[in-house]
Amino acid sequence: ILNVEQSPQSLHVQEGDSTNFTCSFPSSNFYALHWYRWETAKSPEALFVMTLNGDEKKKGRISATLNTKEGYSYLYIKGSQPEDSATYLCAPFQGGSEKLVFGKGTKLTVNP
Amino acid sequence: DAGVIQSPRHEVTEMGQEVTLRCKPISGHDYLFWYRQTMMRGLELLIYFNNNVPIDDSGMPEDRFSAKMPNASFSTLKIQPSEPRDSAVYFCASSFTSGSEYFGPGTRLTVT
Repeated sequence: ILNVEQSPQSLHVQEGDSTNFTCSFPSSNFYALHWYRWETAKSPEALFVMTLNGDEKKKGRISATLNTKEGYSYLYIKGSQPEDSATYLCAPFQGGSEKLVFGKGTKLTVNP
Repeated sequence: DAGVIQSPRHEVTEMGQEVTLRCKPISGHDYLFWYRQTMMRGLELLIYFNNNVPIDDSGMPEDRFSAKMPNASFSTLKIQPSEPRDSAVYFCASSFTSGSEYFGPGTRLTVT
């Protein structure tokens, strides 16, 4: 079973704060790392797919970095807004596998 | 494309009854996944199919759960007999060959 850890489990920030959280995963046999955004009462939506060590992806105020050698990825949100409130899931994809393994997520709450 | 379609959106049933959840994946996607969301375990993979063939059902909780995919555009997840501990949100997702998974809106199941 692939061990995927996300920290912190939950996070409360004020509107305008920048924040970041971590996803760690086994570095062996790495193929890709997916980030998803999951709003309450909705379904998870894909944010990024990252494959290369040192890769950085950006979508508006949200960006992510990837370190495949040490097995971690950071997700950053700059100037958090209440609409960023959601659970952010990471899911590594191993070579030879056909499925994602989701972490338990970081639940972000942005207070206005 | 309308995205992944799931029905029903909500299901309330009594313990012991049979429950059938339905999913229509995105056209052209060759993978279909069934997940269950619980407070304790987060997003839990139950079973997935590739080209309509079940590949890994190790996540299916017990024999009361079964899933089928008779063709590329339809899959069912059946629980018989249902129990109160089966109450959860069940998501169906589809993807194209190891790409990002696209999730349906989920079915909220309540077993009383």
